[in-house]
Amino acid sequence: EVQLVESGGGVVRPGGSLRLSCVASGFTFDDYAMSWVRQAPGKGLEWVSDINWNGGSTGFADFVKGRFTISRDNAKNSLYLQMNSLRAEDTAFYHCARQRRKSGYPLYIDYWGQGTLVTVSS
Amino acid sequence: QSVLTQPPSVSAAPGQKVTISCSGSSSNIGNNYVSWYQQLPGTAPKLLIYDNNKRPSGIPDRFSGSKSETSATLGIAGLQTGDEADYYCGTWDSSLSALVFGGGTKLTVL
Repeated sequence: EVQLVESGGGVVRPGGSLRLSCVASGFTFDDYAMSWVRQAPGKGLEWVSDINWNGGSTGFADFVKGRFTISRDNAKNSLYLQMNSLRAEDTAFYHCARQRRKSGYPLYIDYWGQGTLVTVSS
Repeated sequence: QSVLTQPPSVSAAPGQKVTISCSGSSSNIGNNYVSWYQQLPGTAPKLLIYDNNKRPSGIPDRFSGSKSETSATLGIAGLQTGDEADYYCGTWDSSLSALVFGGGTKLTVL
């Protein structure tokens, strides 16, 4: 059974930093690209970032470029999101997700974690 | 403002069929595959449809997907109260180089 378990969320002040982690199990982690998708409370889904199987290629939504970095450790079956210069509008549940690709392009997400809540507030 | 446009809500009676539309453009739906997700209250999204019309293992055939030019449609037949959820469409946008989602549609089974 595929499982994705996020951690690292919490309350942080505007301008602060936070590092999210996701531990994957139930599949061969380094066979897949991975994503972070966020959802503000009561709102819709927003893709944040993704990374290919070996970390050699990454993508970011415009609203986080230059502030967030994504990385992975295949030996630990883990995905990370380093979030810097946080803003109030970054408040959301952040879901770790397994991404399916074709010819290197993202197609869809086939498994999602429950998410970890990040609250940016003074 | 989402790149893909969905109706905010739809409703129908148990046993009936409902369709949810997802409208985009040539840079997303028009030239890429569409996927659909179900999010039951308080849970993570779940993949319902991928590659426009394919169902993952375990998804009943009451759920169907189709695509025509720059629009896609999710159909749910034989509605059950357990289908009450938010539904999202998603695809790759070649101009934005981003995965994009619709704003979500809340399904109410009356």
